[in-house]
Amino acid sequence: DTEVTQTPKHLVMGMTNKKSLKCEQHMGHRAMYWYKQKAKKPPELMFVYSYEKLSINESVPSRFSPECPNSSLLNLHLHALQPEDSALYLCASSQDGTDRETQYFGPGTRLLVL
Amino acid sequence: DQQVKQNSPSLSVQEGRISILNCDYTNSMFDYFLWYKKYPAEGPTFLISISSIKDKNEDGRFTVFLNKSAKHLSLHIVPSQPGDSAVYFCAASRLNQGGSEKLVFGKGTKLTVNP
Repeated sequence: DTEVTQTPKHLVMGMTNKKSLKCEQHMGHRAMYWYKQKAKKPPELMFVYSYEKLSINESVPSRFSPECPNSSLLNLHLHALQPEDSALYLCASSQDGTDRETQYFGPGTRLLVL
Repeated sequence: DQQVKQNSPSLSVQEGRISILNCDYTNSMFDYFLWYKKYPAEGPTFLISISSIKDKNEDGRFTVFLNKSAKHLSLHIVPSQPGDSAVYFCAASRLNQGGSEKLVFGKGTKLTVNP
């Protein structure tokens, strides 16, 4: 099973809303990632968790708050977002993030902020 | 400043012919390179990779070539099939100071293989 699942597939939220994106994998991977992809742009790394600890934060605004409750789950909590935060949010996982590994991506959550 | 560049946004090829997708990078710290394929409404899927100690890696119809001196890599697909039609992302990797790996993607090239 090389599947990474993400919910919801689509999300529309207002600028005052609080919502969460969820990501799950059952491959026994210990590294999980959040990427943001705007239209016609490459995926851009936001956060990396390794063994449930945050190892990389790419200077992401605090209105995005990641959480890794266990090795299979990764959440991204959203609060007071701006319309320019509308994008495809991709989750990925890999063995443990410390060597030359394949990252497996989920299908993404398409977020629209009104 | 884009560290990984795919200068061709699109490429159209006839079925059975060779597809060549190009990628350039600027950061000499990158030492591992990957190609991902992305269909609409799906996440990127890993295709093939190459370490900086090699100049070629082959997997079936897919071959990646790396020219370190030119900071250039290319993906060859031969023969191309209609099912190969997708967006192809080049990605480069380096380990950060804490030992975690960081992947930097190019903008992608949309490949269309015509029957």
